[in-house]
Amino acid sequence: QVQLQESGPGLVKPSQTLSLTCNVSGASVSAGDNYWSWIRQHPGKGLEWIGYIYYSGGTYYTYYNPSLTSRLTMSVDTSKNHFSLNLTSVTAADTAVYYCARGQGFLLEKFDYWGLGTLVTVSS
Amino acid sequence: QSALTQPASVSGSPGQSITISCTGTSSDVGGYKYVSWYQQYPGRAPKLLIYGVTNRPSGVSNRFSGSKSGNTASLTISGLQSDDEADYYCSSYSSGTPCVFGTGTKVTVV
Repeated sequence: QVQLQESGPGLVKPSQTLSLTCNVSGASVSAGDNYWSWIRQHPGKGLEWIGYIYYSGGTYYTYYNPSLTSRLTMSVDTSKNHFSLNLTSVTAADTAVYYCARGQGFLLEKFDYWGLGTLVTVSS
Repeated sequence: QSALTQPASVSGSPGQSITISCTGTSSDVGGYKYVSWYQQYPGRAPKLLIYGVTNRPSGVSNRFSGSKSGNTASLTISGLQSDDEADYYCSSYSSGTPCVFGTGTKVTVV
């Protein structure tokens, strides 16, 4: 059974960097065909795909939502079997519940496992 | 990349069937067989219901079914039950970004 759990600060000041980690159990972040994703949901709103990181041929690749790419970095720590998100220069518009999820297939056929989500509030 | 368009709300009586639409363009829903559907209860993470337009993961009730015609995908819930009250989101591969979600539909069982 694959399980994902987000962790990180619940409060970030404007202009600072939002950093979250997703701990994965039951699957390896180095396994192929897994697209380790971040998805967020603004309060009372719909879902927004943030980006993913995946492993192929000895290298990790990332693909970010074009609207966030200038502020976004994703990475993997294989020794801890987790992946991370860093979003710089945050504003109140980045306040949201952040989910990590496992995507399957290069064309993201499905997100079959999700973390519980973590609320991040951007406020001074 | 614009969100896919879903009706804000759909309601039905217990035992009835309802259908939720998800309208996109030829660059997403209409162009690929990678439409999925998610159910989300308040305060909970989304749950995969349908993937690849019509496929149900193991453990998902066969009361949930998916289809697609042109640029519009649909989720049908048959034999509506009280615990089907939730928000439902579609998503699709998009040539603009790998993933675009729908605006979400609140299902009410009246």
